[in-house]
Amino acid sequence: QKEVEQNSGPLSVPEGAIASLNCTYSDRGSQSFFWYRQYSGKSPELIMSIYSNGDKEDGRFTAQLNKASQYVSLLIRDSQPSDSATYLCAVNVGGSSNTGKLIFGQGTTLQVKP
Amino acid sequence: ETGVTQTPRHLVMGMTNKKSLKCEQHLGHNAMYWYKQSAKKPLELMFVYNFKEQTENNSVPSRFSPECPNSSHLFLHLHTLQPEDSALYLCASSQSWTSGTLNEQYFGPGTRLTVT
Repeated sequence: QKEVEQNSGPLSVPEGAIASLNCTYSDRGSQSFFWYRQYSGKSPELIMSIYSNGDKEDGRFTAQLNKASQYVSLLIRDSQPSDSATYLCAVNVGGSSNTGKLIFGQGTTLQVKP
Repeated sequence: ETGVTQTPRHLVMGMTNKKSLKCEQHLGHNAMYWYKQSAKKPLELMFVYNFKEQTENNSVPSRFSPECPNSSHLFLHLHTLQPEDSALYLCASSQSWTSGTLNEQYFGPGTRLTVT
């Protein structure tokens, strides 16, 4: 059973702080990793994708991937109240036999307090 | 219209009804997906279509019947549902992984389904 694990939270950080969201996955062959943001009552919105070990930065967001440790994280710098949402980690399964199938974690709820 | 659209946005149906959910993508993608999101559970993949062909059925009960007439449209036909089928049903699309691209999936707004 392929799994993606996230701490459900809530993770509470003060405005302006760095929020760190973590995700582990079980399929060692996974090659594509995604972070989605989901506001309450809304659908998931893709905010970051990462495919290679290391860091990828986009504005206030940095995704970090460590395939050896089967670990992917999302850092949000200068957190704003508008960042308060549930963050979903998604992992492609199938490795070289990519079938487009994503497995999602349960999501981490982030609360940014003014 | 832009992105991925879904209709209806809300649906209440009895256990003996038949209804259909519609999804349309305006992104030029060739892969489409149905997901189910229930409270307190991770997003569950239901079906995958690639260039109109079904490539994944994630052990979904036959009371859910998908249809993909072309790469832009996806339907989910519903009949004799159970109350536990009440959930948010999400459609997504992506470039096809068979073309060598990485399939970043983009979601529609979802249909909130309540089965009474």
